[in-house]
Amino acid sequence: DGGITQSPKYLFRKEGQNVTLSCEQNLNHDAMYWYRQDPGQGLRLIYYSQIVNDFQKGDIAEGYSVSREKKESFPLTVTSAQKNPTAFYLCASRSGTGLNEQYFGPGTRLTVT
Amino acid sequence: GIQVEQSPPDLILQEGANSTLRCNFSDSVNNLQWFHQNPWGQLINLFYIPSGTKQNGRLSATTVATERYSLLYISSSQTTDSGVYFCAVASRSGGSNYKLTFGKGTLLTVNP
Repeated sequence: DGGITQSPKYLFRKEGQNVTLSCEQNLNHDAMYWYRQDPGQGLRLIYYSQIVNDFQKGDIAEGYSVSREKKESFPLTVTSAQKNPTAFYLCASRSGTGLNEQYFGPGTRLTVT
Repeated sequence: GIQVEQSPPDLILQEGANSTLRCNFSDSVNNLQWFHQNPWGQLINLFYIPSGTKQNGRLSATTVATERYSLLYISSSQTTDSGVYFCAVASRSGGSNYKLTFGKGTLLTVNP
């Protein structure tokens, strides 16, 4: 099946630990995005990448890091510097060949205690 | 950056009723999408509609780009339509990055 997968669905960590969230797509899309959603809120952009080996900060990049070594993969690391890491994290991708529609993965719910 | 406002924030309907959700945005856009977020958090693409009108079954959407608003119409609502509806836009002034800015959503509850 073509689509975007995120793993794990639920993730629990202790404060002070870094944690990496996985995002993989087999849609052959060029661009990938990471968003964060807090309860009762819309999504906010953390990082995005338009091509392999290139990425840019979004609106709330502090305390996060990413890499884009392969077209299919765009992992997000939530570092211990992120003050309020507990949230729902969603990954998205876009074709990039003149098609602007973004498609989303199922999300990872991160809880840090 | 671009501002996105959705109204109403909450809406309660009886099954079978019709509804209109509104999205206002503050700048010209090159992307506008409507999503439905299901109870598990998955964002379902409803429409990609930076301008014009589209219909898909009981749902339709209209974007008037020159007046900077979009409307999502739900007819003959069903309980499965419940959830949060988001409007998201990418500003033309943002270049070719197509970064989406989301509104805060409309929480729709359809009662049987």
